[in-house]
Amino acid sequence: DSGVTQTPKHLITATGQRVTLRCSPRSGDLSVYWYQQSLDQGLQFLIQYYNGEERAKGNILERFSAQQFPDLHSELNLSSLELGDSALYFCASSVEGEVGTQYFGPGTRLTVL
Amino acid sequence: GIQVEQSPPDLILQEGANSTLRCNFSDSVNNLQWFHQNPWGQLINLFYIPSGTKQNGRLSATTVATERYSLLYISSSQTTDSGVYFCAVEPRAAGNKLTFGGGTRVLVKP
Repeated sequence: DSGVTQTPKHLITATGQRVTLRCSPRSGDLSVYWYQQSLDQGLQFLIQYYNGEERAKGNILERFSAQQFPDLHSELNLSSLELGDSALYFCASSVEGEVGTQYFGPGTRLTVL
Repeated sequence: GIQVEQSPPDLILQEGANSTLRCNFSDSVNNLQWFHQNPWGQLINLFYIPSGTKQNGRLSATTVATERYSLLYISSSQTTDSGVYFCAVEPRAAGNKLTFGGGTRVLVKP
């Protein structure tokens, strides 16, 4: 158990819908990262927050957004969902925003029908 | 951006065999991690190893940062070692985000 929690574990929804994925980092970790794992793109970095502020951005679509709250949990919002958004979404956390081990949560498996 | 290549892409082992997985990366890195993704999809941290050698039970890893590669050794493999092994690096020029290799899919047969 990495100490990072993600909810829900599974999500099935329809095209055009909006969903919110939730992540709670390990106790004491200030940085939260979001990654997407799809069959065609592999594991890709989406976005990082550090202590409530956006720190780095990767290949995140404009339809996707994220935020980190004062209690350090984070949410990833996916809107206008398309079939191609079906993927495993991972959250990771680390103590600092700089160099260090990232610990991954169990993931949320999103299926868009 | 940085390129991360893992080899071999697939590996079939008989239980008890030893194996070596390789990760090559194209630029200097601050961080290198090895992960095991189990059949349920969970990513499990194996090593944080930007340089040097580490061992954890039957697994060990070596990173030669100056030559831009890392090796993961699995000794006396067990069926529970099956899954996909990923190498991920944090480029020095663009910190904070891990770039993953394509993975090595390992199947250990009893």
